[in-house]
Amino acid sequence: AQRVTQPEKLLSVFKGAPVELKCNYSYSGSPELFWYVQYSRQRLQLLLRHISRESIKGFTADLNKGETSFHLKKPFAQEEDSAMYYCALLGEGAQKLVFGQGTRLTINP
Amino acid sequence: GAGVSQSPSNKVTEKGKDVELRCDPISGHTALYWYRQRLGQGLEFLIYFQGNSAPDKSGLPSDRFSAERTGESVSTLTIQRTQQEDSAVYLCASSLAILAGGGETQYFGPGTRLLVL
Repeated sequence: AQRVTQPEKLLSVFKGAPVELKCNYSYSGSPELFWYVQYSRQRLQLLLRHISRESIKGFTADLNKGETSFHLKKPFAQEEDSAMYYCALLGEGAQKLVFGQGTRLTINP
Repeated sequence: GAGVSQSPSNKVTEKGKDVELRCDPISGHTALYWYRQRLGQGLEFLIYFQGNSAPDKSGLPSDRFSAERTGESVSTLTIQRTQQEDSAVYLCASSLAILAGGGETQYFGPGTRLLVL
């Protein structure tokens, strides 16, 4: 079965500190992994996907197949990073995303 | 251009009543998805459409839930005989093509917040 686990419901860090949002997945094949973000009063939007290997708004995420993880990282958090973050998995040949329960990130000034 | 729109934005109904939720995808998007998000939970897949065909209805919780889509346009999610456990935010998303292998991006609507009393 496909499963995405985000162990932290809430994460609070100070501005300028590094931030890491954890995501672990369960899937036997080769998945595509995504991070979605929802800022206050805005709709859910794609932040980044592992196949693009890009940095968006200073965030990066590396797929670690050995540890079945796709943690989201940023070296220096900014107040505007405060939001709800969801990790999601797309199985091979699948058409539906499997989402984690989300982590609410709060950046303190 | 316009994004995905959903209506109504909020709906309060009494247990046992039927409700219809509407989704207008981005023009030209062939794939459309419905998700449910209960309070404090992640998004739960319900159904997706490719054109007006629904190849995967596996996420629909019960036979009280149904959905249809007109061509590559509007979709309606209908919940019959609503129950209190149906209370949730119902999210719709669309993408230019189906997801698998193509690097497509889902664009989400603002959601419909349903409360069943």
